[in-house]
Amino acid sequence: EAGVAQSPRYKIIEKRQSVAFWCNPISGHATLYWYQQILGQGPKLLIQFQNNGVVDDSQLPKDRFSAERLKGVDSTLKIQPAKLEDSAVYLCASSLFLAGFNGEQYFGPGTRLTVT
Amino acid sequence: AQRVTQPEKLLSVFKGAPVELKCNYSYSGSPELFWYVQYSRQRLQLLLRHISRESIKGFTADLNKGETSFHLKKPFAQEEDSAMYYCALVQGAQKLVFGQGTRLTINP
Repeated sequence: EAGVAQSPRYKIIEKRQSVAFWCNPISGHATLYWYQQILGQGPKLLIQFQNNGVVDDSQLPKDRFSAERLKGVDSTLKIQPAKLEDSAVYLCASSLFLAGFNGEQYFGPGTRLTVT
Repeated sequence: AQRVTQPEKLLSVFKGAPVELKCNYSYSGSPELFWYVQYSRQRLQLLLRHISRESIKGFTADLNKGETSFHLKKPFAQEEDSAMYYCALVQGAQKLVFGQGTRLTINP
């Protein structure tokens, strides 16, 4: 089966500019996640969708970050305006919705963002 | 708050030597723990889950509730085991909390 797709793979912007990332999850996966991974750290969840509804966005900096998952499939994550500390890899992942979560999330290749 | 700690950022061992990657957690209740791995130029992927008590690629991990640990072990390291390893804990509805990761290097 095709994996999680993300684009772009790399992005360099100046601070105060805006940027958007796109994710296409595995077909049939109801749950979609966006993570931020700063160099030397583990992935940190930014937002979790169940179909097109938000399950958890407690760690999303809502003054500058926004995300949507229209129609419960593709998702976009936007940063506006970007700050230097937003430099990171942004990972998208998806999982089947199961009554008993088995822990398996499928990750995309990530988008490496550099803010200068 | 639930937390996962991997005390070693870097671990280097020789091929054929035993490997142990440490993971400690803080969680009230019955934890569900996992190990994820990222090989060079590959995506992050699930390696094993504690609940299935499986051995994948020769790796095992035992949940020790008394010590709140979930260390990953392999008796004889192979060069292809070189990778980043992340311990993760389930929190809430299908949400994972990751440790900061350990970079394992197997020397020939």
